[in-house]
Amino acid sequence: DTGVSQDPRHKITKRGQNVTFRCDPISEHNRLYWYRQTLGQGPEFLTYFQNEAQLEKSRLLSDRFSAERPKGSFSTLEIQRTEQGDSAMYLCASSPSGFAKNIQYFGAGTRLSVL
Amino acid sequence: AQTVTQSQPEMSVQEAETVTLSCTYDTSESDYYLFWYKQPPSRQMILVIRQEAYKQQNATENRFSVNFQKAAKSFSLKISDSQLGDAAMYFCAYPRAPNTGNQFYFGTGTSLTVIP
Repeated sequence: DTGVSQDPRHKITKRGQNVTFRCDPISEHNRLYWYRQTLGQGPEFLTYFQNEAQLEKSRLLSDRFSAERPKGSFSTLEIQRTEQGDSAMYLCASSPSGFAKNIQYFGAGTRLSVL
Repeated sequence: AQTVTQSQPEMSVQEAETVTLSCTYDTSESDYYLFWYKQPPSRQMILVIRQEAYKQQNATENRFSVNFQKAAKSFSLKISDSQLGDAAMYFCAYPRAPNTGNQFYFGTGTSLTVIP
């Protein structure tokens, strides 16, 4: 069990560029969550997957955002035509299932800076 | 709508002393779980402690314990014998109902400073 890993840790991009982040969950976890955290705030839910199925998207996830989890393993989060307001920490978490008791295990996050 | 409120943006504590971080939440559920997570600077968030709502006994994990007041919807975290490594952001979290996704609602966090 190597934990949840995210890549890259930091990304600096220019406004209008596309960026993609990767998350590798704990291997036996079938639930995967993406959150966004801005400075001074707690994480806010973006979307989640049960295996390869994306079951819910927050209204925070505009149509410039897309997430995938092919084969129910790693996940990618892509932001197209980045805006300065997209600058934030993007966190990935995984859990064994959707039971309320289940702990979500978080990665260290990808910090995005849009110039 | 479920919400989580942490009213203390910053707290400080002397090393070896005790500190209590506050959290209140709003829910219409009767059975649920509550979590405290710790986020050290530039490091990943890790679970500190978890409380099940139908259990009256407060959860304890070594130096960390909670004061869970279900009727008041209050879930405070007590850190005893504070250590320098306890310095971090602390987030209270409440999971949305399992059949609707189970994603967490987080508070805005409390930044804890431990003074040597």
